[in-house]
Amino acid sequence: NAGVMQNPRHLVRRRGQEARLRCSPMKGHSHVYWYRQLPEEGLKFMVYLQKENIIDESGMPKERFSAEFPKEGPSILRIQQVVRGDSAAYFCASSPTAGVEAFFGQGTRLTVV
Amino acid sequence: GEDVEQSLFLSVREGDSSVINCTYTDSSSTYLYWYKQEPGAGLQLLTYIFSNMDMKQDQRLTVLLNKKDKHLSLRIADTQTGDSAIYFCAETPTGGGNKLTFGTGTQLKVEL
Repeated sequence: NAGVMQNPRHLVRRRGQEARLRCSPMKGHSHVYWYRQLPEEGLKFMVYLQKENIIDESGMPKERFSAEFPKEGPSILRIQQVVRGDSAAYFCASSPTAGVEAFFGQGTRLTVV
Repeated sequence: GEDVEQSLFLSVREGDSSVINCTYTDSSSTYLYWYKQEPGAGLQLLTYIFSNMDMKQDQRLTVLLNKKDKHLSLRIADTQTGDSAIYFCAETPTGGGNKLTFGTGTQLKVEL
């Protein structure tokens, strides 16, 4: 059973471009969480999704950021018109239910130049 | 709102015990976790404790929870160089599912 897969591992974007980060949860997991880790900080919750539904997006910036988890395929975190302050590591986690343990992917490190 | 705090650095000699501390503010925390992050990697769940427990031991790891003081600690016995990493404390509130609030992390350096 493969772990949580995130791609790409590293992403470089110029200011104003769009960034698309993908997360494939573990097999059998229907709950996905996205977190952002700014340099030398802890992880901050962004959004919690189940298949085709956003359950909690209280940590998402109001503009430019969106997330989806379609019926088929990976979860996508989309950042439009990136700015330098978006440079961070973005981690995805998945769990089979809203229970105890969520498994983390290795993250996507976004650099905005 | 929730707040989780940790000291930034800890340095120990190989073979000694390490104690990493964490304080939190949310009295409704249900589960408290310790994660390990190695350079360039994701987070590995080390252990967790339910809020109605005060201690949990798992091989070299011992978690102590003081609910009154909202203080959580992780003790690593016989610390090895492979334990060098950043350790994050995290909590979930009642009904919060897996929405985790993380501390800023403690960088553990193990010296020979």
